[in-house]
Amino acid sequence: GESVGLHLPTLSVQEGDNSIINCAYSNSASDYFIWYKQESGKGPQFIIDIRSNMDKRQGQRVTVLLNKTVKHLSLQIAATQPGDSAVYFCAEAPWDFNKFYFGSGTKLNVKP
Amino acid sequence: EAQVTQNPRYLITVTGKKLTVTCSQNMNHEYMSWYRQDPGLGLRQIYYSMNVEVTDKGDVPEGYKVSRKEKRNFPLILESPSPNQTSLYFCASSKGGLQETQYFGPGTRLLVL
Repeated sequence: GESVGLHLPTLSVQEGDNSIINCAYSNSASDYFIWYKQESGKGPQFIIDIRSNMDKRQGQRVTVLLNKTVKHLSLQIAATQPGDSAVYFCAEAPWDFNKFYFGSGTKLNVKP
Repeated sequence: EAQVTQNPRYLITVTGKKLTVTCSQNMNHEYMSWYRQDPGLGLRQIYYSMNVEVTDKGDVPEGYKVSRKEKRNFPLILESPSPNQTSLYFCASSKGGLQETQYFGPGTRLLVL
């Protein structure tokens, strides 16, 4: 299957700081990338997505950056809040958009 | 409330005893999918369904069956569960195709002894 991984399994940040979560993918043909947030005991929740024809997309307090040259995806969270504490997954979908491949996740701890 | 529901939420069973995990969505979504989540492996797709009566294998379909007889329901069937199917299972749905936001259910934690 596809290889979608994360550089750091755990990230600790101070409340109010910006967070950056990274993800590497292996399939250069992937066309669609998504970030999910999973809180303890819950299912994943969509945060933001990006198509391969873009290199940046912004949402509310979140920004996703895509670097196709090095096959790298990142999620930036501005002014991190305690409610942002969760596990974050990146996922990719190849050209047929029928399947998702998820990374193993990064746990974000926000210290008050 | 728009949601994806799964039942049961927790299940302990023994090897070889057939079981079904139900999934239902009330959003009239075309696409539904099952995933399993294991420590260190993230979510892996088991099966998906683009529409009623249309299903296809994901990344890890072995040992599982699905059916999509009606739009709202997408049950996951384990005909003969084995301990390596002990996992956390999620059902998800979206309007159509993976480019639409997927909504996930709360998860079903399965232990096969």
